[in-house]
Amino acid sequence: AQKITQTQPGMFVQEKEAVTLDCTYDTSDPSYGLFWYKQPSSGEMIFLIYQGSYDQQNATEGRYSLNFQKARKSANLVISASQLGDSAMYFCAMREGQGSNTGKLIFGQGTTLQVKP
Amino acid sequence: GAGVSQTPSNKVTEKGKYVELRCDPISGHTALYWYRQSLGQGPEFLIYFQGTGAADDSGLPNDRFFAVRPEGSVSTLKIQRTERGDSAVYLCASSPNRELNEQFFGPGTRLTVL
Repeated sequence: AQKITQTQPGMFVQEKEAVTLDCTYDTSDPSYGLFWYKQPSSGEMIFLIYQGSYDQQNATEGRYSLNFQKARKSANLVISASQLGDSAMYFCAMREGQGSNTGKLIFGQGTTLQVKP
Repeated sequence: GAGVSQTPSNKVTEKGKYVELRCDPISGHTALYWYRQSLGQGPEFLIYFQGTGAADDSGLPNDRFFAVRPEGSVSTLKIQRTERGDSAVYLCASSPNRELNEQFFGPGTRLTVL
């Protein structure tokens, strides 16, 4: 069964420093996608970054990068130069398989990040 | 352009009542998803539409839950005989047909069953 595990319920980081949010996953499907979403207190889910299982390089999007270690089944999110606006809940998610008959995301429990000024 | 919209933003109902939650996906997006998020938890998948058909409804918790998308755009999630345990935020997301990498989420409907 698919599973996403985020072991850090809460994290603190000093403004302008980097922070790593952990995510491990479990799947038997060789083809899958990994996602990170940000959910501020306002409630909307904001897509941050995507990594495909066959991608050779780690994904990067601005200050966000995904540390993809396939053998360890981990997909940690690294946020560089933290900003106060980064304070939010962060969710790791996985989509199994390819093709038009799949699409559901399996989410982890989330990590609450607080950026200190 | 407009994002995914959901109405109502808040819904309070009494146990046993029937409710409908509406989702307007991004124009042109053929894939539509419903998720349910309980307090302090990650979203849980309910149902996935590709066009008008439900391609995957494995997440619907029981037969009180039903969703439709008759014309391939707007979707309605219907909950019969609501229970207090149905209280949650119901999220809708859409994505383009051939690009499943990103799902665009709506603001959600907060359902409270008294």
